[in-house]
This record gives sequence, structure tokens and C-alpha cells, in this order.
Amino acid sequence: QKEVEQNSGPLSVPEGAIASLNCTYSDRGSQSFFWYRQYSGKSPELIMSIYSNGDKEDGRFTAQLNKASQYVSLLIRDSQPSDSATYLCAVGLYGGATNKLIFGTGTLLAVQP
Amino acid sequence: KAGVTQTPRYLIKTRGQQVTLSCSPISGHRSVSWYQQTPGQGLQFLFEYFSETQRNKGNFPGRFSGRQFSNSRSEMNVSTLELGDSALYLCASGFIAGRTDTQYFGPGTRLTVL
Repeated sequence: QKEVEQNSGPLSVPEGAIASLNCTYSDRGSQSFFWYRQYSGKSPELIMSIYSNGDKEDGRFTAQLNKASQYVSLLIRDSQPSDSATYLCAVGLYGGATNKLIFGTGTLLAVQP
Repeated sequence: KAGVTQTPRYLIKTRGQQVTLSCSPISGHRSVSWYQQTPGQGLQFLFEYFSETQRNKGNFPGRFSGRQFSNSRSEMNVSTLELGDSALYLCASGFIAGRTDTQYFGPGTRLTVL
């Protein structure tokens, strides 16, 4: 089992729709959770961070965390063609000798005009 | 504030050579992490440095090494290059090395091994 799993996609949504991106993780000790956006040929750009169960909203983006289910998601409202990119879920493991960010392989989102 | 900078942006090397990549973190950030990104494996963690000390290391062979200087700048070295080392190498900086640390990525160095 991979430590952080994402559906590779592509996830295709029409412009203006809600895009829902999902991520599961295996280590219950995970303490911090991040969503990054990566355009083709570019480096990852931080979109959201979340540390506690529940929802966190920032503009058109909402991150949701459920530690009991080991599940984190990202909702993008009013999707725009400029949102078309690969979305990477990252999970932070800290403590003792372990101190690293583990990434999923990413979900490719395609927003159709 | 200036972002994370990486040099060089592109490199072409041949098998057996060695390469050194450089990363300058955001001013005030003390943690630098290195990642390798390939189409097949995604983003793989190489190592993290904090205050000139390697705090954690990923599952890469000893050919991959790094260091951090007192000004938080970091270098990564790959010796005896193999074709499979062709990848985008990303550096990320964070303010602290801890549970709430958020990492910000540089533009990356694209390494091609021929």
C-alpha cells in the first residue's frame, strides 16, 4: 500500500463546476496535510494546508480532513480552465527520526471551457 | 521576499559524471528539503537539512548526498550518474523543521543524463 494515494485521473469537469480531488494516507501518525498545484513543466505551488479535522476554506478552495478515515480532499468551486493542472496531496510525518513530507502521485484535473 | 532559487535550471551530463545542484531558501528559512520528480515515480523525498544537519533521508543510494551551509544554502551532489537519474530535482524551504512547517518549492533543476 502506498503511503499517500490519489487517483491519477484525468478528472474532467466543465467550467464553472465543482472539482473534487481526493487523497488517502496510511500512517495514522500523520500530522499535517497539504495540497499543491503543479502546472506542466513547473514546480509545485502550495494551495492549502490543513491540520485539524473539518473544513478549511480559502477563496474558491476548500480542504477537508477526516483523520479517522485517513482521508483528505480538495474542492475547487467555480472551476476555471486555468485550474487545469496536477494536484498533489502531501502528508507530513514528524517526530523522532522521521521528519518528512510524503507526496501522492497527483491527480490531473482538466477543466473544459 | 524572494522565493526559493535553484541553480542551474538545466543540466546535461553523461553517465559516470557527477553533478552538484544548489538551492538558496527563502530568507529566514532554515529547513531545506530535496526531492526527485520523475513521471513514473512522482515526487520522491531525498533528504532534509536543518541548521546544517541532515535530519532525515529518503530511500536513495549513497551516490546522492547533500549539505547545508551556515547561511542555510544547500547543495546536493550526485556521483556516478546513471540514466535513471534524469529527473526534475526540486528544493523546498521551510521556516522550521517541525510538525507545522510548510514547504515552498523552488523552480527546480532539470537534469538529463545521456
